[in-house]
Amino acid sequence: GQNIDQPTEMTATEGAIVQINCTYQTSGFNGLFWYQQHAGEAPTFLSYNVLDGLEEKGRFSSFLSRSKGYSYLLLKELQMKDSASYLCAPENTGFQKLVFGTGTRLLVSP
Amino acid sequence: DAGVTQSPTHLIKTRGQQVTLRCSPKSGHDTVSWYQQALGQGPQFIFQYYEEEERQRGNFPDRFSGHQFPNYSSELNVNALLLGDSALYLCASSSGMGVRGEQYFGPGTRLTVT
Repeated sequence: GQNIDQPTEMTATEGAIVQINCTYQTSGFNGLFWYQQHAGEAPTFLSYNVLDGLEEKGRFSSFLSRSKGYSYLLLKELQMKDSASYLCAPENTGFQKLVFGTGTRLLVSP
Repeated sequence: DAGVTQSPTHLIKTRGQQVTLRCSPKSGHDTVSWYQQALGQGPQFIFQYYEEEERQRGNFPDRFSGHQFPNYSSELNVNALLLGDSALYLCASSSGMGVRGEQYFGPGTRLTVT
């Protein structure tokens, strides 16, 4: 079967650091995407990890452990505009099929 | 360089009707995947088109069908609409044989079935 597990909701304050964890079980695995989605809008690409380790891109970093079926998204220097849902999406082998969970809703307060 | 585009933005239909949604992929991309996102849920994979053929399909009934044109644009058709089909329909564009890790979503079509 396929299962994606993320916390439903997280809260943090402006300027802080937050880590959103994701564990997954999928039938086949190519890599893992992270998307940001503001309410009523389409998902926006944040990162794609294929190899184990940490990839840093500005304020956002993403980590992958293939053997553990685990990833996290690290957001630094939080801003109010970072309030959104964050979707972890493993990519099945073969043909770029993404499997989404329900995502993590992040609320950033002043 | 235009990104992924979808039309229409919003649509209201009644039960039993049929609907067609459209998607144009990002320039340089040849693969279109369709997703359904119900309120409060993550996107669910419907199917994917590459080289004008359905390459793989998710767990959706035959009422959901699609097409891809020679210019790589795609249509999603839903027949015999049910109230439960109300959702945001997203298309994602990527390169079938090219760089991995590129899947970009369009703005979506919000379908309401009454």
